[in-house]
Amino acid sequence: GAGVSQSPSNKVTEKGKDVELRCDPISGHTALYWYRQSLGQGLEFLIYFQGNSAPDKSGLPSDRFSAERTGGSVSTLTIQRTQQEDSAVYLCASTSGRGGNSPLHFGNGTRLTVT
Amino acid sequence: AQRVTQPEKLLSVFKGAPVELKCNYSYSGSPELFWYVQYSRQRLQLLLRHISRESIKGFTADLNKGETSFHLKKPFAQEEDSAMYYCALKVPPGGSYIPTFGRGTSLIVHP
Repeated sequence: GAGVSQSPSNKVTEKGKDVELRCDPISGHTALYWYRQSLGQGLEFLIYFQGNSAPDKSGLPSDRFSAERTGGSVSTLTIQRTQQEDSAVYLCASTSGRGGNSPLHFGNGTRLTVT
Repeated sequence: AQRVTQPEKLLSVFKGAPVELKCNYSYSGSPELFWYVQYSRQRLQLLLRHISRESIKGFTADLNKGETSFHLKKPFAQEEDSAMYYCALKVPPGGSYIPTFGRGTSLIVHP
């Protein structure tokens, strides 16, 4: 079946503008994660959704970042008043269940450039 | 909090040479460990997980609890192994379900 889908694949925005990044997880996957990938910084956890539970937002770097997951499926990551340091690749991943052995299935990411 | 350290940002070897990508973790219990790989222009994907004790594309990784390490090894590197490799740790149920990733090691295999 289809893998994790992210859109847009590339986004260039001006400093101070808001952006929305979208993630379509694999159908039936209850867990959804957002990570940020920066050169030299590896994968930085942002937020985690599991079923209908309250999301774990502990990784969000500032209150300019927020995310929603509607109907337990599609998720949107919103960055308000973008700054140049927000430039990175934003990765979404989903997995089935909570089991420790469940690997993450990643999307292709959205490359965000803030000018 | 758990932590994953990949000390090498870049590892450069020649084709046919052995390769070892280092991964150390900090966690007092029994973690579940993974290696993920990202080839050029492809998405990040699972390479192998320690619980499966499998060899994938000639790569193996052994969990050493005494040294808290999970190094990735291959006896004879191939050019197609050139990629970015990430080590990840996930603690068992009762802890965090959020995988922690290392900063990644870029492997370049020269012809």
